[in-house]
Amino acid sequence: GAVVSQHPSRVICKSGTSVKIECRSLDFQATTMFWYRQFPKKSLMLMATSNEGSKATYEQGVEKDKFLINHASLTLSTLTVTSAHPEDSSFYICSAGAGLEVSEQFFGPGTRLTVL
Amino acid sequence: GQNIDQPTEMTATEGAIVQINCTYQTSGFNGLFWYQQHAGEAPTFLSYNVLDGLEEKGRFSSFLSRSKGYSYLLLKELQMKDSASYLCAVMDSNYQLIWGAGTKLIIKP
Repeated sequence: GAVVSQHPSRVICKSGTSVKIECRSLDFQATTMFWYRQFPKKSLMLMATSNEGSKATYEQGVEKDKFLINHASLTLSTLTVTSAHPEDSSFYICSAGAGLEVSEQFFGPGTRLTVL
Repeated sequence: GQNIDQPTEMTATEGAIVQINCTYQTSGFNGLFWYQQHAGEAPTFLSYNVLDGLEEKGRFSSFLSRSKGYSYLLLKELQMKDSASYLCAVMDSNYQLIWGAGTKLIIKP
């Protein structure tokens, strides 16, 4: 099956710093990538949908200036958490699909962010 | 609004069979997915149903009834490694996944 990687897998940072998370589709071109956030013992919460070459579509309640998404190529999307605060600590997961009418999303392994 | 319901937690015995139910109300329907998620890991794909009926894949089977807005995941010959959360997700008319809160499955020896 298709492989999606995420980097870093775990990051600890100080409050006020910015953190960049990369999501790469390794063996296919992903026209659409999705960024999720998951709190402990909760389901995935879609943050934004990222389409290559265009602006990301953010879900209601997600601050676009705080969570910057860039989908520069068909194999790479990045999520930057700007001026991170402890409440931003969470598990961030990306997934990729080959097109809008995709029957399966391929998930990255996730990034555990801890903000001190 | 859109809603996915599944039990919060279930317990079963190793070697037994367990059925995890999922009911949904969404804006349109483009398929229902089941994912398995171990603690601290990303979800892994288990099954996809878009037509009514039963899809069998090894020890796991998934059933869908679109008229009832209902699906279940059936796990047979349970193993300890099946202890995980099982997420039901429906793709709506905008091809967006709507996620259930997940069912935590506890397997006891």
